[in-house]
Amino acid sequence: GESVGLHLPTLSVQEGDNSIINCAYSNSASDYFIWYKQESGKGPQFIIDIRSNMDKRQGQRVTVLLNKTVKHLSLQIAATQPGDSAVYFCADSNSGYALNFGKGTSLLVTP
Amino acid sequence: ETGVTQTPRHLVMGMTNKKSLKCEQHLGHNAMYWYKQSAKKPLELMFVYNFKEQTENNSVPSRFSPECPNSSHLFLHLHTLQPEDSALYLCATSPPTNTGELFFGEGSRLTVL
Repeated sequence: GESVGLHLPTLSVQEGDNSIINCAYSNSASDYFIWYKQESGKGPQFIIDIRSNMDKRQGQRVTVLLNKTVKHLSLQIAATQPGDSAVYFCADSNSGYALNFGKGTSLLVTP
Repeated sequence: ETGVTQTPRHLVMGMTNKKSLKCEQHLGHNAMYWYKQSAKKPLELMFVYNFKEQTENNSVPSRFSPECPNSSHLFLHLHTLQPEDSALYLCATSPPTNTGELFFGEGSRLTVL
């Protein structure tokens, strides 16, 4: 079946540095992509999303880049803070239904 | 406060027990979901309800039985579970605009002995 996966299971960055979390997807029909953050003991929380008619979208300290040619998605976090330590999930869907999640990347921010 | 409340937050049960997980939403969303989150595995979609009607059962074993009595409440009834069913069970909702975004509860951590 179709799958969404992450290149690295863990990522360690120093406070203040920029973080980049990558994600590959396999369903070429996917038209909606989303990043979630899950802190320990909590449910996933929305970070940012992007539709397939865009290649870049910016939020507060976060940017999502979409490369449909190679079916690649990335999340960039600027000036990473200790509060950014969490597991980050990418997910995709076709026509906004039944998000398909990746395994997650654990981001650890060190002082 | 996420607008989606799950109870209990933690549950330990034997394989012969019958228990239920509850999800309540205060967002006015029309769709509600059950996801299973196991260690080192992607979130697995279990069930989808849209306007109280079940629209998807993702090949879930019959020992898991969902119930959606109204648009604000979703239950997952559990009976004769196996130890491999131990996981975090997440409830989520989505709005009628169907943007694709899901709003998650904090989850119910289930341990089956």
